[in-house]
Amino acid sequence: RKEVEQDPGPFNVPEGATVAFNCTYSNSASQSFFWYRQDCRKEPKLLMSVYSSGNEDGRFTAQLNRASQYISLLIRDSKLSDSATYLCVVNMGTGGFKTIFGAGTRLFVKA
Amino acid sequence: GAGVSQSPSNKVTEKGKDVELRCDPISGHTALYWYRQSLGQGLEFLIYFQGNSAPDKSGLPSDRFSAERTGGSVSTLTIQRTQQEDSAVYLCASSLAVAGGLHEQYFGPGTRLTVT
Repeated sequence: RKEVEQDPGPFNVPEGATVAFNCTYSNSASQSFFWYRQDCRKEPKLLMSVYSSGNEDGRFTAQLNRASQYISLLIRDSKLSDSATYLCVVNMGTGGFKTIFGAGTRLFVKA
Repeated sequence: GAGVSQSPSNKVTEKGKDVELRCDPISGHTALYWYRQSLGQGLEFLIYFQGNSAPDKSGLPSDRFSAERTGGSVSTLTIQRTQQEDSAVYLCASSLAVAGGLHEQYFGPGTRLTVT
């Protein structure tokens, strides 16, 4: 089993749709969680950190479920510019701060 | 402020040659990571530096790969006797890595390595 697993997609949605991505992680000792966005042939960029209580940033909502070891990202009112690959990232928080990136979920938002 | 910078942005080399890739992290960031990303694939962790601690080299794919971080700042990733399968984008990231913090990583633009 991979340490961090994501549905690779692609998710094809119309503008204005709501779309949700899930990510599961295997190490219960994981301490911090993030969603990154990567555009084609570009470096990953931090989208949002995921807090235990859940957090929202505009159209984006992230949730963490430690008991079930999964993280989710909800995008409301999708825009064409949301088309990208979304990476789930888990930091083990051990002395080495080992960070594991999921393989990513591709999203295509169409007019 | 300045972000993470990497050089060169593109490197084409012949099989068997050595290459050096450079990363300048964000000033004040104590943690530095190297990753590799092949076309259409996810990020593959290579090596991690944190302050003066011994680096975590668990991701280096072979002994042809090595990395240094001088003075706790600039890092160089060296690939000896390059092979065609080394062709990829090499990404560097840095993080503040404060104990108890979230350790968000900020990436450089990457070096696209092509081995012919």
